[in-house]
Amino acid sequence: GESVGLHLPTLSVQEGDNSIINCAYSNSASDYFIWYKQESGKGPQFIIDIRSNMDKRQGQRVTVLLNKTVKHLSLQIAATQPGDSAVYFCAEITGNQGGKLIFGQGTELSVKP
Amino acid sequence: NAGVTQTPKFQVLKTGQSMTLQCAQDMNHEYMSWYRQDPGMGLRLIHYSVGAGITDQGEVPNGYNVSRSTTEDFPLRLLSAAPSQTSVYFCASSPVGRGSRETQYFGPGTRLLVL
Repeated sequence: GESVGLHLPTLSVQEGDNSIINCAYSNSASDYFIWYKQESGKGPQFIIDIRSNMDKRQGQRVTVLLNKTVKHLSLQIAATQPGDSAVYFCAEITGNQGGKLIFGQGTELSVKP
Repeated sequence: NAGVTQTPKFQVLKTGQSMTLQCAQDMNHEYMSWYRQDPGMGLRLIHYSVGAGITDQGEVPNGYNVSRSTTEDFPLRLLSAAPSQTSVYFCASSPVGRGSRETQYFGPGTRLLVL
């Protein structure tokens, strides 16, 4: 069945290092992907998105890479800061699905000072 | 703008009780959705709406009802609460339009405990 999953449930990095969070998806028809950040006790917060006709998209300190060949998505955070500590989710939308986001399990990022 | 608001923030129910989780948005978004999040897991879609008067089921709709009588409000009803419905519930909304409809804004969540 369709699924969006993450390789690692936890990731610990040193402050100032770069972080890479990975996500695998199984539905080749998915055409839109989003990364969300969720801090403890809060709702998910949009970080960055990418369409399936793109391989890379950059934001402020964040980059999303999409490899459609192996159905893999990654989120790179440059110069990771303590405020980046949170759970990160990838999510996908397929076609004309409107508000139907399919979320992955999540990766907890812990930044050590 | 207040964004997406949810009430209550926390609720304890007994098995078999009914209740309504409220969700409102003031951004004039057409899309609204309800998700539940269980410990250590991602969010799962319960129901969603693409506009006033239109609702559809998500991944885990059983035990929940929704209605969308206005653009602003999207209440989620539990008709007969069960312990399996203990979870954190998030409401989300997003605008319509190419490149924008998928950017969902989430509320702060409602923590529900069913005993």
